[in-house]
Amino acid sequence: QKEVEQNSGPLSVPEGAIASLNCTYSDRGSQSFFWYRQYSGKSPELIMFIYSNGDKEDGRFTAQLNKASQYVSLLIRDSQPSDSATYLCAVNRGGDKLIFGTGTRLQVFP
Amino acid sequence: SAVISQKPSRDICQRGTSLTIQCQVDSQVTMMFWYRQQPGQSLTLIATANQGSEATYESGFVIDKFPISRPNLTFSTLTVSNMSPEDSSIYLCSVAGQEKTQYFGPGTRLLVL
Repeated sequence: QKEVEQNSGPLSVPEGAIASLNCTYSDRGSQSFFWYRQYSGKSPELIMFIYSNGDKEDGRFTAQLNKASQYVSLLIRDSQPSDSATYLCAVNRGGDKLIFGTGTRLQVFP
Repeated sequence: SAVISQKPSRDICQRGTSLTIQCQVDSQVTMMFWYRQQPGQSLTLIATANQGSEATYESGFVIDKFPISRPNLTFSTLTVSNMSPEDSSIYLCSVAGQEKTQYFGPGTRLLVL
C-alpha cells in the first residue's frame, strides 16, 4: 500500500463545475496535509495546507480533512480552464519531510 | 514565500560525467530539500540539506552518487555524479516554510545521453 494514494485521472470537468480531488494516506500519525498544483513543465506550487479535521477555505479552493477515515480532499469551485494541471497531495508524518502522492491530472474543458 | 532560483534550468550531458545544480534562496532558511521527479512520476525526496552538517539521504540515494553541499543558509548544491541515462529527470530544490510547508524552485531538467 502506498503511503499517499491519488487517482491519476484524468478528471475531466466542465468549466464552472466543482472539481473534487481526493487523497488517502496510510499513516494514522500524519499531522499535516498539503495540496500542490503543478502545470506541465513547471514546478509544484503550494495551494493549501490543512492540519485540523474539517474544512478550510481559500477563495475557490476548499481543503477537507477527515483523519478518522484518513482522507483529504480538495474542492475547486467554479473550475476554469486555467485550473487544468496535476494536483499533488502531500503528507507530513512529523519531522520535516513531505510524502507526495502521484498526483491527479485535472482537465477543465470550456 | 521565498524566491528560489536554480541553475542550470536545463542541461544535456554525456554519460559518465557529473553535473552540479545550484539552488539559491533570497532569504535565510533552515531546511532545504532536494527532489527528483522522473517523467510522469511524482516527487521523490533525495536528501535533506542542513547548514553546517552533512545531508541526510533517503533510502536508495547515496552521498557518492548525489553529493550535497550547504555552505550557508541561502545556498545549496546537488551534484549528480557519474551520470547514466537513468538519471534523466527533473531535479528540484525546495525550502521549508512555516507549518511544515515547502516551496519549490523552478527545477533543473537533465537529459543524459
